[in-house]
Amino acid sequence: KAGVTQTPRYLIKTRGQQVTLSCSPISGHRSVSWYQQTPGQGLQFLFEYFSETQRNKGNFPGRFSGRQFSNSRSEMNVSTLELGDSALYLCASSTGTEGLAKNIQYFGAGTRLSVL
Amino acid sequence: QQQVKQSPQSLIVQKGGISIINCAYENTAFDYFPWYQQFPGKGPALLIAIRPDVSEKKEGRFTISFNKSAKQFSLHIMDSQPGDSATYFCAATWAGSYQLTFGKGTKLSVIP
Repeated sequence: KAGVTQTPRYLIKTRGQQVTLSCSPISGHRSVSWYQQTPGQGLQFLFEYFSETQRNKGNFPGRFSGRQFSNSRSEMNVSTLELGDSALYLCASSTGTEGLAKNIQYFGAGTRLSVL
Repeated sequence: QQQVKQSPQSLIVQKGGISIINCAYENTAFDYFPWYQQFPGKGPALLIAIRPDVSEKKEGRFTISFNKSAKQFSLHIMDSQPGDSATYFCAATWAGSYQLTFGKGTKLSVIP
């Protein structure tokens, strides 16, 4: 089974631009979560989608948004980029259903975003 | 408010030694506590996880010890190997949530 795939792996943008990151979850997984990883703040939850609906959102400004498609693939968008948005953005997928496997999240390798 | 506190930030252990990483949480609603291992250039990978109805879980050289009353849990890596050198994150979440709250991470270096 293929793992979580994130594209692109690296991105360089300038302040004020916008960016879209893509995530393909493990086949059969319906829940996709996004995390931001920085040296200072560590791993922080951005949002989680299930069946095209955002179920949960972390404490990030409205410049951070996402969506999920009917095939469970997800995108996140950051508008009006700031220097502080430079980070590794990680996508994680899980079954999204009840049971012991519900909480198990599988991470992709991430997209490294550098804002200049 | 940091809901999961992890220590130490970095750890150097000799090959064959025991690596111990500690975490403490605040939210008593948490009911699932996974540990993730991350190598440079890779995403975190689930290593081992525990639920609060057990005090210890062992998988190979990795053991989680859980103290519900103290709201603390720890990861023990027995017979540490250079290949275990990575950053380790503890995390927590609660029933019905898919949001993991992570500790700040521990960078483990196992020296030959």
